[in-house]
Amino acid sequence: DADVTQTPRNRITKTGKRIMLECSQTKGHDRMYWYRQDPGLGLRLIYYSFDVKDINKGEISDGYSVSRQAQAKFSLSLESAIPNQTALYFCATGADTQYFGPGTRLTVL
Amino acid sequence: EDQVTQSPEALRLQEGESSSLNCSYTVSGLRGLFWYRQDPGKGPEFLFTLYSAGEEKEKERLKATLTKKESFLHITAPKPEDSATYLCAVQAEDQGGKLIFGQGTELSVKP
Repeated sequence: DADVTQTPRNRITKTGKRIMLECSQTKGHDRMYWYRQDPGLGLRLIYYSFDVKDINKGEISDGYSVSRQAQAKFSLSLESAIPNQTALYFCATGADTQYFGPGTRLTVL
Repeated sequence: EDQVTQSPEALRLQEGESSSLNCSYTVSGLRGLFWYRQDPGKGPEFLFTLYSAGEEKEKERLKATLTKKESFLHITAPKPEDSATYLCAVQAEDQGGKLIFGQGTELSVKP
């Protein structure tokens, strides 16, 4: 079984809709991260969490929110999706070395 | 400002043709430099961590080296299955483990 899982793997939604991306990990790490990847821009950090009670903004947090439900679960929400949030979204976990999930391809029409 | 630049953006090699990928970085106190491999439609897969200048690590046909300003990923006698995008990232001290990524080098190895 994969150490980091993400659901859904693909999602198409419309402008203005609320959407949640979920991440679970079985590696037992306290730290979890959300990134987005865009062609030509590389991976950029959205939010990160050191533990259930410690959540921090990354470099591109506007338009996103997160919830750390448990040590193993970290969700990313788009409150009102817009087309420029179309991207690949990755969850990661780890202290020094980060291990990534398989990604969610999100399309906002 | 912490920054990572990778070159070239794309590299095409013939099978067996050795080459190197470059990762130049500017960071206020390097905690670690990471190399990842990413296949299309998949998440980055961890390859190496380097912590100090002069350090080298190897895995099969790949060898990563580190200086105070850059890192190289050397690929010796590549095979088509080495085709992927290779990502470099740095982790600065006192930044909570955050990674700053370069844009990647897309490697294509033709048989």
